[in-house]
Amino acid sequence: DVKVTQSSRYLVKRTGEKVFLECVQDMDHENMFWYRQDPGLGLRLIYFSYDVKMKEKGDIPEGYSVSREKKERFSLILESASTNQTSMYLCASSSTLAGEGDNEQFFGPGTRLTVL
Amino acid sequence: KQEVTQIPAALSVPEGENLVLNCSFTDSAIYNLQWFRQDPGKGLTSLLLIQSSQREQTSGRLNASLDKSSGRSTLYIAASQPGDSATYLCAVSPMDTGRRALTFGSGTRLQVQP
Repeated sequence: DVKVTQSSRYLVKRTGEKVFLECVQDMDHENMFWYRQDPGLGLRLIYFSYDVKMKEKGDIPEGYSVSREKKERFSLILESASTNQTSMYLCASSSTLAGEGDNEQFFGPGTRLTVL
Repeated sequence: KQEVTQIPAALSVPEGENLVLNCSFTDSAIYNLQWFRQDPGKGLTSLLLIQSSQREQTSGRLNASLDKSSGRSTLYIAASQPGDSATYLCAVSPMDTGRRALTFGSGTRLQVQP
């Protein structure tokens, strides 16, 4: 089974802190994604990566950055956390390589981040 | 820009009923469509994936259909059980392989009464 793990289930940080959210997948997927989920707004894409060291902005990248130094790991960084970044953060991975993947996305358990 | 709509937003049914959840999307140029289940406070669990060339997929009591030309998908749940209570999300992947991220609907919150 595909497994996507996230470093924390719950996280509480102070305004202005630098926050790292880590995501690891064990299926050698080339694509990895960070979404945030908010009541009334649904799931929105923050960033995605289709290869090591490659990244692309999603719909709401402001205030976030990402890092992908190894294929299995994709980190989301909040450079200076703000209260409007309080949310549920979900990581996902998929493969779209011909003959190997069909872009079925698999999600981690989520990190509930509260910024005070 | 792709938009995905799910109707109804919430549904409450007695145990044993068959039910249909609806999903519509505005741009028919999709690569595939995926149905997910989400329990409160948890991540998403993939239920069914339908490729753009397929008409339906089945898994146990679940059957998902896709009519790409009309921009519609349905998730049919047979003989519902209290354990089916959750939020169900549909999401589409664009044909443009340069952007593989999903566009999600807002979900249908299902409650199955024992």
